[in-house]
Amino acid sequence: ETGVTQTPRHLVMGMTNKKSLKCEQHLGHNAMYWYKQSAKKPLELMFVYSLEERVENNSVPSRFSPECPNSSHLFLHLHTLQPEDSALYLCASSQDRGHLTEAFFGQGTRLTVV
Amino acid sequence: LAKTTQPISMDSYEGQEVNITCSHNNIATNDYITWYQQFPSQGPRFIIQGYKTKVTNEVASLFIPADRKSSTLSLPRVSLSDTAVYYCLGGGGFKTIFGAGTRLFVKA
Repeated sequence: ETGVTQTPRHLVMGMTNKKSLKCEQHLGHNAMYWYKQSAKKPLELMFVYSLEERVENNSVPSRFSPECPNSSHLFLHLHTLQPEDSALYLCASSQDRGHLTEAFFGQGTRLTVV
Repeated sequence: LAKTTQPISMDSYEGQEVNITCSHNNIATNDYITWYQQFPSQGPRFIIQGYKTKVTNEVASLFIPADRKSSTLSLPRVSLSDTAVYYCLGGGGFKTIFGAGTRLFVKA
């Protein structure tokens, strides 16, 4: 248990569906992240929120839409996804301390797009 | 951000000490070096972090030479449960970028 909880753990969705991934942290951190990990590929940083403002968006397609309503919660809204979007989606949080930052990761959501 | 280079994979036996070296030639003055461990279908887990010289905790040791262009993660007496992917990161803050990592396989 890392203090970062992701739901659901597994999700299967059709290409026309709309779904949301949820992340919650109880560590008092002020930064939250979404990563994507495809099979046999490194983790790709998707979005970063600091103090509920988006500070990083790594050219992610608009079919992925993040939302950070407060410093403890982070969502990733999904719509009209493609099969190549199937991956492990990981949420992380950290306390902003400049270059000295330890990120805590959730268990991930295994997404399959059919 | 410092680009890091690690061996793709390593094999070891239970009880041995494992050293994984990472090169980060263009690491910035302010960057720390951080190592994470990841098991299949789980998120990465922080192992150790350092800036220079040697850092030790209950899990591992991290050796960083004076020029900081490389670092070595040392795992003492590995067990089967240490089979995982180990990531070296140069940098921190909001840009926690992961490379391909080193896949360590511990055999009985």
